[in-house]
Amino acid sequence: AQSVTQLDSQVPVFEEAPVELRCNYSSSVSVYLFWYVQYPNQGLQLLLKYLSGSTLVKGINGFEAEFNKSQTSFHLRKPSVHISDTAEYFCAVSSNRDDKIIFGKGTRLHILP
Amino acid sequence: DTAVSQTPKYLVTQMGNDKSIKCEQNLGHDTMYWYKQDSKKFLKIMFSYNNKELIINETVPNRFSPKSPDKAHLNLHINSLELGDSAVYFCASSHNRVGTDTQYFGPGTRLTVL
Repeated sequence: AQSVTQLDSQVPVFEEAPVELRCNYSSSVSVYLFWYVQYPNQGLQLLLKYLSGSTLVKGINGFEAEFNKSQTSFHLRKPSVHISDTAEYFCAVSSNRDDKIIFGKGTRLHILP
Repeated sequence: DTAVSQTPKYLVTQMGNDKSIKCEQNLGHDTMYWYKQDSKKFLKIMFSYNNKELIINETVPNRFSPKSPDKAHLNLHINSLELGDSAVYFCASSHNRVGTDTQYFGPGTRLTVL
């Protein structure tokens, strides 16, 4: 069985500061990893995903994530956040044996002025 | 030109009532999903259909019955609503059923059971 853990339920950060949102996964097979973002009162949308190849994945809105197999992590980073990045961020895991993806519990990114 | 749309956006009803939520996607995708997001933002899959065939049913009470009249539509009917059914319900779709696919979410339906 697969699982994903987002250690931080919320992360406050000042505008224009860097941010890292942590995600760890557990799986017995090769995984696919995703980060989705949910802006207030909206549905989720894909930020980026890792399927194979380069472990550094770049996504929309200046976000990137690095797949680290030895640490079973897929942390999301942005060098300089903006007030518009205020949202809930979900890490998710799947595999080629699955018809579904498993979401983490989410991390609320709170941008301080 | 909404890709995945849901109606209604808000639904307030009394315990014991029956209600339906409709979902439509215009992306030409083969697979559609229903998720439940609780008050703590935890997102859990309920059902998935691929080409009108049920492929995932995640131990959801049988008061919940999905129906897919065609590939572009997946509706959710809920009988005998309970307080614990209050949540935001999201419909999503993907090109096909494999784990690599990006899922496209609708805007959600906020269900409040009084």
